[in-house]
Amino acid sequence: AQSVTQLDSHVSVSEGTPVLLRCNYSSSYSPSLFWYVQHPNKGLQLLLKYTSAATLVKGINGFEAEFKKSETSFHLTKPSAHMSDAAEYFCVCLYNFNKFYFGSGTKLNVKP
Amino acid sequence: EPEVTQTPSHQVTQMGQEVILHCVPISNHLYFYWYRQILGQKVEFLVSFYNNEISEKSEIFDDQFSVERPDGSNFTLKIRSTKLEDSAMYFCASRPGQGVEKLFFGSGTQLSVL
Repeated sequence: AQSVTQLDSHVSVSEGTPVLLRCNYSSSYSPSLFWYVQHPNKGLQLLLKYTSAATLVKGINGFEAEFKKSETSFHLTKPSAHMSDAAEYFCVCLYNFNKFYFGSGTKLNVKP
Repeated sequence: EPEVTQTPSHQVTQMGQEVILHCVPISNHLYFYWYRQILGQKVEFLVSFYNNEISEKSEIFDDQFSVERPDGSNFTLKIRSTKLEDSAMYFCASRPGQGVEKLFFGSGTQLSVL
């Protein structure tokens, strides 16, 4: 069965410090994995995706994620948080070419 | 970048009433989806649609729900007799086709059932 677990429902960082949002997946094969961001009152925007090419994936706005098969993880990182990064982040796994499973989301708070 | 458009942004209805949520997917996309997010909960898959028929649906998508692509551009979600627990943000999404795995989402319709 496919599932996605986001380990932290809330993460709070200071502006300028690193961001780490954790995601673990459960899949019987190497999945396609995505991170989406949702700003208040906005739709879901794709940050980055992993589709079995390079394990370190670079996305928009300075975010990147590393696919680690041995740990079944796909954690999202950014070296230096900006105030504009405050949003909710969803880790998503694509199953069976058509069904996207969402994690429960992590709300990122950035303090000045 | 092209966008998926959803209307209305907010919909308030009485319990038992029918609602139709509207979506205009990106014009050359072939796969269409509805997801919902109840406040404080995760985004849940409702249904996927391809080639003018439902390709997959979740256990949430019962007989009260239906989808339609009436005119080749719109993709609607109908809830026949709304319940309080249908209150949620409903997201429409589309993607170009097999092999392209990026989902393009609309900004959502917030449905409130009173």
